[in-house]
Formats: sequence, structure tokens, C-alpha cells
Amino acid sequence: DADVTQTPRNRITKTGKRIMLECSQTKGHDRMYWYRQDPGLGLQLIYYSFDVKDINKGEISDGYSVSRQAQAKFSLSLESAIPNQTALYFCATSSVVPSRQPQHFGDGTRLSIL
Amino acid sequence: GESVGLHLPTLSVQEGDNSIINCAYSNSASDYFIWYKQESGKGPQFIIDIRSNMDKRQGQRVTVLLNKTVKHLSLQIAATQPGDSAVYFCAENTPTSGTYKYIFGTGTRLKVLA
Repeated sequence: DADVTQTPRNRITKTGKRIMLECSQTKGHDRMYWYRQDPGLGLQLIYYSFDVKDINKGEISDGYSVSRQAQAKFSLSLESAIPNQTALYFCATSSVVPSRQPQHFGDGTRLSIL
Repeated sequence: GESVGLHLPTLSVQEGDNSIINCAYSNSASDYFIWYKQESGKGPQFIIDIRSNMDKRQGQRVTVLLNKTVKHLSLQIAATQPGDSAVYFCAENTPTSGTYKYIFGTGTRLKVLA
């Protein structure tokens, strides 16, 4: 079983719809992240959470919100989807100790907004 | 098909040959670097990391070289195999940006020719 699981894997929806992407992990990591990947660009950080009560904006948080429901669950919402939010979305986790460990990624959600 | 990586530089290598993938990083203060492999339809997978107090680090069939003078990182893959076909990208972290914040490169596509 995957350590970091994202659902759905693919989603096509219409402009203006509310969408939720979900992420769950079995790695026992405290830190969780949401990234966006676009063609020709590196991964961009949307939101991150260091524990259940901690939520922080990343570089490109506008138009997105998140919820950390439990240590193992971190969801990303698009309140009113727009076409330029069409992208690959990745959830990632990392441990706290030792510092600066690689992040572990799920297999992504391909989101298309028409 | 995969939308990410449509315009990436491509390295084509004969099966069994060695591959060298390069990355120019952006911040001279960066002191921790990671190489990721991303196969089609999958999330980034950690390959190897290196800290700036080292010039070279070896893993299984992979070697990372760091040249801080010219801000250059390379990934060498020995005896390249068909399963090595993927997009490879580097990530950098600086001590002042927080242990969670990485700058991700756009990647190089490696194609292994039979």
C-alpha cells in the first residue's frame, strides 16, 4: 500500500464548482504539504501544516484552502474552481527530526477545470 | 498522456551507458540538495540527497556531485536501465528559508534507448 494516498487520481469539473482533494498518509509524519505542478514549472507550495493545529500559506495559496483533519489527513479545497487551476496536485509529508529530510510524495491528482 | 514535462530538456542514453543529468541551482546560500525521479503518472520519488559540506555522495548506481563554486549539481546514473526512464529534477533548501521550503527545478527527461 502507498504511504501517501491521494484521492481522486483524476478529476474533471466545471468552472465555479467546489472541489476537494484528499490526502492520507501512513508514514506517521507530522508535516504535510500541498503542491501544484504545471508544465515547465517546478513544484509550487500551496499550503503546509506542521501539525493538526498549524496551517500555513505557501507561495500560491490564493483560491485554495486546506483542512488538517488529523495527523494523517490533509485536504485541499478549491472553493470556486477556475480554468487556470488546471494542474497536477501533489500531497507530501516529511518528518520533523532530523531536520531537512526529503519530502515523500503521493502519486498526485490530475485536475482539469473546464 | 503526461502534461507535465512537455517542454523539458531530454537526455537520450543507450541502455547500459552512464547518464549524467545536470542542475544549476539558484541560491548560493543553499546548503541541502535533493534529487527526485518522477515516472509518468507517479509522484516524485526521492533518489539521493547531499549537504553542502560534501562534494560527492554515492548511492546504489547513483552519484551526486556538488560544485558550490558554480552552483551546479549533477546526478550520475551508472549502467542506465529502461526503468530509469523518467523526469529527474533537483531541489534546493537554504538554512534561512525553513526546513520545509524547497526550490524545485523543472527537470530533465531521461529516455533510455534499447
